[in-house]
Parts: sequence; structure tokens; C-alpha cells
Amino acid sequence: DQQVKQNSPSLSVQEGRISILNCDYTNSMFDYFLWYKKYPAEGPTFLISISSIKDKNEDGRFTVFLNKSAKHLSLHIVPSQPGDSAVYFCAASETGANSKLTFGKGITLSVRP
Amino acid sequence: DAGITQSPRHKVTETGTPVTLRCHQTENHRYMYWYRQDPGHGLRLIHYSYGVKDTDKGEVSDGYSVSRSKTEDFLLTLESATSSQTSVYFCAIMGGRGTEAFFGQGTRLTVV
Repeated sequence: DQQVKQNSPSLSVQEGRISILNCDYTNSMFDYFLWYKKYPAEGPTFLISISSIKDKNEDGRFTVFLNKSAKHLSLHIVPSQPGDSAVYFCAASETGANSKLTFGKGITLSVRP
Repeated sequence: DAGITQSPRHKVTETGTPVTLRCHQTENHRYMYWYRQDPGHGLRLIHYSYGVKDTDKGEVSDGYSVSRSKTEDFLLTLESATSSQTSVYFCAIMGGRGTEAFFGQGTRLTVV
């Protein structure tokens, strides 16, 4: 059973507009969430994270929102740039689970010039 | 960039042969992980290690074994490779809770 779900496989956005990538989780024990970005033929790279004690974390153009009651998080990219075109993975972990990261299937973001 | 190296980067092997992939880190991180990436499945955890000689299974561990005899090296072995193990394999390292994991560049394995 998939514990981290990224239900939309792809998203296409115009350059300069906002990209919103969504992620849902089912395990209520998850208390730390991360977003990774992946380009073809490269390893995933860390983008931004959020602890369950917060509902928002911002880093430059990237903001992650966490809604614990809905078991939902989202990544906002404003403004979107063509270089943001990549696969984005949502990941989650729980205290006491030896820091295992559980990943979603990923969302392919395309930013059109 | 985090000091994590995977070898080999590419490998083609025949069904039934043993294969070992190596992950080497220079960060002295406690946690090390092996993931595989497949279309439609994202990143799935194969095995992980939380210390020297301390390892545990992930969600797709069947057909794989691991060993960690020293902090810096984490080996993934396919005892008898099958075509279903054709995939891109990623190693990751993490220093501890509340920190991010750093990934290697990946190993593209093809089993023919």
C-alpha cells in the first residue's frame, strides 16, 4: 500500500507563473517531509523540507505547505522558470524508523518558455 | 556536493549472474540506503543500514542482499540477476533525523 502519493504524474506551467505540486500521505506517524528534484541521468537533489511542527517553510522561490489534518503537503514554485523542469519527488519519514525515507512516484514538471 | 560515489555507473549483465554494486561515502554518515527507480514506481527502498553491520529490509528487498563492514561502504548484491532487476539504482546517505538525504549519481543496470 502506497504511503506517499503523488496522484498527478505531470504538470505543465507557463514560465513566470506559479507551479503547485501536491502530495498526500496515509501514515499518520510521518513527522518529517522533504521534496527532491531530479534531472535525467542524475541523482535526486534535496530541495526543501518541513517538520510536522510547522505548517509552512520557505526558501527563495520554493515554499512547502503542510496540512496535517488532511495529510497533505504541497510545493509552490514562484515564479516558475524553464530550469525548474524536472521530476519532483515527495518523501516522508517517521521518528524511530531509522530515518527511512518513503517516496512518492514523482511528478514531471514542464515549464514552458 | 556530498561525498558519495556509486560504482559502476553502468552495467550490463546476463540473467543468473551475480552482481555487486558499491556505494562509497566520505561524509562519515550513519545511515545509508539503496533505492531503485522504475517508471511508474518512483523511488523504492531496497535495503538500508543504520550502522556498521546493522542493516534492514526495505519494501522491495527480495532478490537483494547488502553488507556494510565499514562506515564508508555499503554494498548491494544481486545473487542471481533477473530481468525484473533491470533498473536504475541509487545510493543515499543521511547524517541523522531531521536532515536531508544525499544521493549518488545512480547505477544503470541492465539484465539481459
